[in-house]
Amino acid sequence: NAGVTQTPKFQVLKTGQSMTLQCAQDMNHEYMSWYRQDPGMGLRLIHYSVGAGITDQGEVPNGYNVSRSTTEDFPLRLLSAAPSQTSVYFCASSYIEGTGGANVLTFGAGSRLTVL
Amino acid sequence: SQQGEEDPQALSIQEGENATMNCSYKTSINNLQWYRQNSGRGLVHLILIRSNEREKHSGRLRVTLDTSKKSSSLLITASRAADTASYFCATRGSNYKLTFGKGTLLTVNP
Repeated sequence: NAGVTQTPKFQVLKTGQSMTLQCAQDMNHEYMSWYRQDPGMGLRLIHYSVGAGITDQGEVPNGYNVSRSTTEDFPLRLLSAAPSQTSVYFCASSYIEGTGGANVLTFGAGSRLTVL
Repeated sequence: SQQGEEDPQALSIQEGENATMNCSYKTSINNLQWYRQNSGRGLVHLILIRSNEREKHSGRLRVTLDTSKKSSSLLITASRAADTASYFCATRGSNYKLTFGKGTLLTVNP
């Protein structure tokens, strides 16, 4: 049982390049999300999805794109990388237990991105 | 803006001592969760407390929630060196989003 798998683990980009961070989960979770973690800032939500075909913005969505064509996959696209996007990115997923439910997240191991 | 704020930002104690971390939040919540992050790793869920609960225990962990003060505390009893990590509170409101605080870095010295 792999849980949440993120690829790549490390990536170096030049300013203006585009790339996709991959996230896959094998737990049949409806909810998937992307966070970025920067020193002193904690985790900030970029985008999230409550099911295939449904996505929404979090706190810091600018410069990022997502899609959810299947339950298992939730890729994060950087359209034109900027040095401000240097960060560690985490994908996380959970079951949705209704409006009063728990929503306990399972995290991937993270992807460290450096933009030069 | 981030919902939860942990306090203190950093805490250093000796093995065997208790560690207490606090979390304050701004708006009404459905539940509050605590996660641990070891250096260079993803976060791991520790414990969840719902808005209608005041206290929960799990092993050496004790969580309290005071919705009137919009605050929670995490107590780790009899700390071990292996408890060295960053600890985050996360709140869930009426939607499905979990919003995290900036974390408390706990160092347990042998």
